[in-house]
Amino acid sequence: EVQLVESGGGLVQPGGSLRLSCAASGFSVSTDYMTWVRQATGKGLESVSIIYSGDTTYYADFVEGRFTISRHSSKNTLYLQMNSLRVDDSAVYYCARLSVVVPAAVDWGQGTLVTVSS
Amino acid sequence: EVVVTQSPATLSASPGERATLSCRASQSVSSSLAWYQQKPGQAPRLLIYGASSRAPNIPARFSGSGSGTQFTLTISSLQSEDFAVYYCQQYHNWPPGTFGQGTKVEI
Repeated sequence: EVQLVESGGGLVQPGGSLRLSCAASGFSVSTDYMTWVRQATGKGLESVSIIYSGDTTYYADFVEGRFTISRHSSKNTLYLQMNSLRVDDSAVYYCARLSVVVPAAVDWGQGTLVTVSS
Repeated sequence: EVVVTQSPATLSASPGERATLSCRASQSVSSSLAWYQQKPGQAPRLLIYGASSRAPNIPARFSGSGSGTQFTLTISSLQSEDFAVYYCQQYHNWPPGTFGQGTKVEI
């Protein structure tokens, strides 16, 4: 059974940093396509970052240069390093595994809340 | 960037009724469209991919149709557990694949 468990969210001041983790089981984060999607309170879904074939990465314009996605094969964990955080980065952050057939998110974690506030 | 627009923003319906949700892309995305369901406090769940293929364990009352720029998600007979927010996502231009703003199906 596939499981994704996020951690690392919390309250941070503007300009601060956080590292989100997504511990996976039932598959390998190193070989599958993985993504971080966020959702501000009462808002829709936004794709933040994707890591895929050959460790190719994608970042949304609004996080480019501030966030870094990575994965650790032996820990089977996906990460999102978030630096220079802004108030509008506040959201629930979900990690998800993309299908091997099409790049739709088939498995999701429960999400971790990031609040950026002074 | 492909812009995805969903309508209506809110759909009011009763259990047992048929619900039809729409999704429009600003340019053709072929059949590269997915639908997700999200209940309050929960992560999204994949319902449909490839515009019309049900994901594993998704009930047959959920169906998707369309191609190009116009897509529809139909719930043939609403159950109490179907009241939720539904998002479409195009992945023809991927990454990243853009989401619509969502349609809330309420009682």
